[in-house]
Amino acid sequence: ETGVTQTPRHLVMGMTNKKSLKCEQHLGHNAMYWYKQSAKKPLELMFVYSLEERVENNSVPSRFSPECPNSSHLFLHLHTLQPEDSALYLCASSQRLNVNYGYTFGSGTRLTVV
Amino acid sequence: EDQVTQSPEALRLQEGESSSLNCSYTVSGLRGLFWYRQDPGKGPEFLFTLYSAGEEKEKERLKATLTKKESFLHITAPKPEDSATYLCAVITGTASKLTFGTGTRLQVTL
Repeated sequence: ETGVTQTPRHLVMGMTNKKSLKCEQHLGHNAMYWYKQSAKKPLELMFVYSLEERVENNSVPSRFSPECPNSSHLFLHLHTLQPEDSALYLCASSQRLNVNYGYTFGSGTRLTVV
Repeated sequence: EDQVTQSPEALRLQEGESSSLNCSYTVSGLRGLFWYRQDPGKGPEFLFTLYSAGEEKEKERLKATLTKKESFLHITAPKPEDSATYLCAVITGTASKLTFGTGTRLQVTL
């Protein structure tokens, strides 16, 4: 498989549930990102990882917890979410942290919090 | 604060009807500008990167241009398969992240 793969594609969870989103990249990239995309809003950067180290956390609530066990895998652990957290969550990777090299995005996980 | 504004929010064209999408930006120290295409239920797909005013890039029916304040995505003789949301993003500062606009939703009808 090539590119950036995200699973699951769709997720419905209750406010008391705990779930995880998974992202895997097969491009040999060193940097990975989580973005949130809500209707009529720009993509919002959540977290940035470079060589498995978190380099940026954009004031994201603690109910979102990222994990990067190696440079190919990125997780977003979710717990006690709110309905306003419903959105498309996109994972992206780039060759290096410097985005002049461009991003490759996954297809996203459509999350619905009920 | 860096800002990226895209217009129009939505655009409906007939097949063959050429038009342009606009991306204006207010940033400190532009290092580059990206255009992406996003189909419903999918992630953004890279189209172009522009780095300096006066630069132009083309791909099939699409042509992107850049000035010091804005970028245009020109669509020549569009087809229904060009229907998508087109996103603009800028690279600033340490070049470790992109700042996105809200996109232009394009619909091309027969």
